[in-house]
Amino acid sequence: EAQVTQNPRYLITVTGKKLTVTCSQNMNHEYMSWYRQDPGLGLRQIYYSMNVEVTDKGDVPEGYKVSRKEKRNFPLILESPSPNQTSLYFCASSSYSGTSYNSPLHFGNGTRLTVT
Amino acid sequence: GQNIDQPTEMTATEGAIVQINCTYQTSGFNGLFWYQQHAGEAPTFLSYNVLDGLEEKGRFSSFLSRSKGYSYLLLKELQMKDSASYLCAVRPQRGGYNKLIFGAGTRLAVHP
Repeated sequence: EAQVTQNPRYLITVTGKKLTVTCSQNMNHEYMSWYRQDPGLGLRQIYYSMNVEVTDKGDVPEGYKVSRKEKRNFPLILESPSPNQTSLYFCASSSYSGTSYNSPLHFGNGTRLTVT
Repeated sequence: GQNIDQPTEMTATEGAIVQINCTYQTSGFNGLFWYQQHAGEAPTFLSYNVLDGLEEKGRFSSFLSRSKGYSYLLLKELQMKDSASYLCAVRPQRGGYNKLIFGAGTRLAVHP
């Protein structure tokens, strides 16, 4: 089954304790992205990757890191989490071929992170 | 700046028709997406419009007017399972493939 898998689904942590949220897709998609979703706000992009070893900042990258060493995996790293990073996080992927603007995003099931 | 507006909440009755509007102001336009998101779950793709007019997919249809910066999602024969948030997202011309701007979503409640 084609899917984007995120882990964990729920995570409660304390300020300053490094954590990683994993994301893996089995559709051989070139493009992957991380979003956070907060009440009253739309999905906001954190980081994205157009292909292996190619990553760039989205709209709200502060406090986050990513890596893309393999095509299927795109982990999100919080080196020193703070309470304002409490949010619902989604990983997404899509195929990309230069002008395929109609390719929809496929989302993972989300990770609800609470930082106390 | 770039902006997408949708109503925050709507209610409708099972079996009825509901129209969810989306207006946008972006730097150019490379298409508009609608996604459905049930509470606490992942958004799922519903439709894509890049040309003016109506696209029909079963009970769901999506309309686009580029000159007005306007789209709507039409849901017919509403079912209880249609209770969800509906997200409008626009791909502006500036920013290339990556850029996709999401509205805050419209939460639809379907009542018996």
